[in-house]
Amino acid sequence: GAGVSQSPSNKVTEKGKDVELRCDPISGHTALYWYRQSLGQGLEFLIYFQGNSAPDKSGLPSDRFSAERTGGSVSTLTIQRTQQEDSAVYLCASSPWVAGPRGTQYFGPGTRLLVL
Amino acid sequence: TQLLEQSPQFLSIQEGENLTVYCNSSSVFSSLQWYRQEPGEGPVLLVTVVTGGEVKKLKRLTFQFGDARKDSSLHITAAQPGDTGLYLCAGGDNNAGNMLTFGGGTRLMVKP
Repeated sequence: GAGVSQSPSNKVTEKGKDVELRCDPISGHTALYWYRQSLGQGLEFLIYFQGNSAPDKSGLPSDRFSAERTGGSVSTLTIQRTQQEDSAVYLCASSPWVAGPRGTQYFGPGTRLLVL
Repeated sequence: TQLLEQSPQFLSIQEGENLTVYCNSSSVFSSLQWYRQEPGEGPVLLVTVVTGGEVKKLKRLTFQFGDARKDSSLHITAAQPGDTGLYLCAGGDNNAGNMLTFGGGTRLMVKP
């Protein structure tokens, strides 16, 4: 379909290893967001990309987290030296740029990360 | 920092009952969105309200934005098992582009 896709859907890793999570936004959407969701909880904002502007990294919890968006499309969230507290569902969303509050964010199914 | 608090956190009711979920903040938001999330999926937008006092209806769901744009409520009439899921409110800020602040969510279970 034409929705937001994320890969992998599930990832199990050992403490201390690096992981890369991928997000393919809806074609033409200029804004892309990464969120983290702990079990059954609300969403914690991580990082926001809008067009060619510098990303808003204000939500990244530590310098072990980084993200990039190549060519204004696909984005990769990298977590270095993973810790058990990094275990969560990582959600990606994209939206068309709409000035003001009406932009709808379309979410992918998420990547479930488990750090052992 | 803007915060949104949702209540209750958990709600288990019988089919046919009515319920209300609340979303409260000390901050003013430009807009308030409600999402519903099912297990293994991302949140899906239900409604956006932007005007203080605004009421929107979506079949059996009624959404209200407080007059001061600091709070919102979601009322479900005659709940059905298909309404089961995690309901999330999210506040938007005109000064932060399309950035959203999410509440902690209300997990609803409707038993047949």
